[in-house]
Amino acid sequence: NAGVMQNPRHLVRRRGQEARLRCSPMKGHSHVYWYRQLPEEGLKFMVYLQKENIIDESGMPKERFSAEFPKEGPSILRIQQVVRGDSAAYFCASSPVAGIYGYTFGSGTRLTVV
Amino acid sequence: KNEVEQSPQNLTAQEGEFITINCSYSVGISALHWLQQHPGGGIVSLFMLSSGKKKHGRLIATINIQEKHSSLHITASHPRDSAVYICAVSVYTGANSKLTFGKGITLSVRP
Repeated sequence: NAGVMQNPRHLVRRRGQEARLRCSPMKGHSHVYWYRQLPEEGLKFMVYLQKENIIDESGMPKERFSAEFPKEGPSILRIQQVVRGDSAAYFCASSPVAGIYGYTFGSGTRLTVV
Repeated sequence: KNEVEQSPQNLTAQEGEFITINCSYSVGISALHWLQQHPGGGIVSLFMLSSGKKKHGRLIATINIQEKHSSLHITASHPRDSAVYICAVSVYTGANSKLTFGKGITLSVRP
């Protein structure tokens, strides 16, 4: 059981490029959550997905950000036309049933926009 | 006012000391979580509790639902306990569940 796998661990993008962050949940977990940790700030909720469905995207910026969790494959957090303010650590967590039994976090992707 | 408040913000202790980290929250919750994050590292879930007290090794977590307060205690602290400790609350509404986090407390344990 490899836990929650996020890749890449570190990602450097130039302003205006696209960033794709991947998250493979733990085996048997069908609920995925994305959180963002800005420098010197706490973690903030972004989006909650189940297989093929977005359940809650109230924390997602209205533009440039999107997330998906297809039937097959990892969940993807996509940031288009990145800006310096997008530089942050992005964490994924998974749970078997809507968080009732707790969450397992990945190691995060550190995005740096230059 | 943040929904989840942690105190103190930074904490330095000597190896072997008993450490207490506090967390207060202002909303009704389904559960409270204590998380640990080492510098540049991932996040590890230490405890999830909705009442009473839980113990794992040298770590003890307690929660008082009426007072909306939780504490994380570390006994016989060690330099490897140096990390950021984050309190988070979850509210489960049947179809939705997400975490709201405190800002975390940076603990440094000196040898």
